[in-house]
Amino acid sequence: DAGVIQSPRHEVTEMGQEVTLRCKPISGHDYLFWYRQTMMRGLELLIYFNNNVPIDDSGMPEDRFSAKMPNASFSTLKIQPSEPRDSAVYFCASSLRSTNEKLFFGSGTQLSVL
Amino acid sequence: GENVGLHLPTLSVQEGDNSIINCAYSNSASDYFIWYKQESGKGPQFIIDIRSNMDKRQGQRVTVLLNKTVKHLSLQIAATQPGDSAVYFCAENSYRGKLQFGAGTQVVVTP
Repeated sequence: DAGVIQSPRHEVTEMGQEVTLRCKPISGHDYLFWYRQTMMRGLELLIYFNNNVPIDDSGMPEDRFSAKMPNASFSTLKIQPSEPRDSAVYFCASSLRSTNEKLFFGSGTQLSVL
Repeated sequence: GENVGLHLPTLSVQEGDNSIINCAYSNSASDYFIWYKQESGKGPQFIIDIRSNMDKRQGQRVTVLLNKTVKHLSLQIAATQPGDSAVYFCAENSYRGKLQFGAGTQVVVTP
């Protein structure tokens, strides 16, 4: 398996623009997670899905952030409108059966909002 | 543990020596712990995990020790190599059954 695949690897955009990050989890994994990593706050869980259904979005910072999982092999994290404080590395991860087992992370998307 | 900002603790280790990375966790009810390694520009990579019914678990060149009495977790790396230079994170399952990550420790291997 190719692992968790994220795109793009780098995204540079201007404040106010819409940003869409993409993720393909490992095939057969029931759980998908979106994390954000910054130097100030470390790794923060934004939202996770079980069998394509959003279960807990309490980590989503604001209404500007939204996430979808239309099918088992694809998820998006959207920021609209983007702000400079959204600059971070965004990771997608998946796990096989639960939230309480090892997560497999993608390579991340480095987002810079100017 | 709660994430702290800006400056990661750094462990400098000479190549060939053993490394010990420590982690204090916050939830006495946590029953599952993981260590991850993150190299620059990459996502966290699973190293080893341990359940609370164990005190010790060994992998290839790595050992995780769990002390539930003082809520302490450690990762030992034997014969540290340059490729071991990375940030190491511990994670515990949280009150809501989700993994919560610590702030991380930067390991620098010197020749």
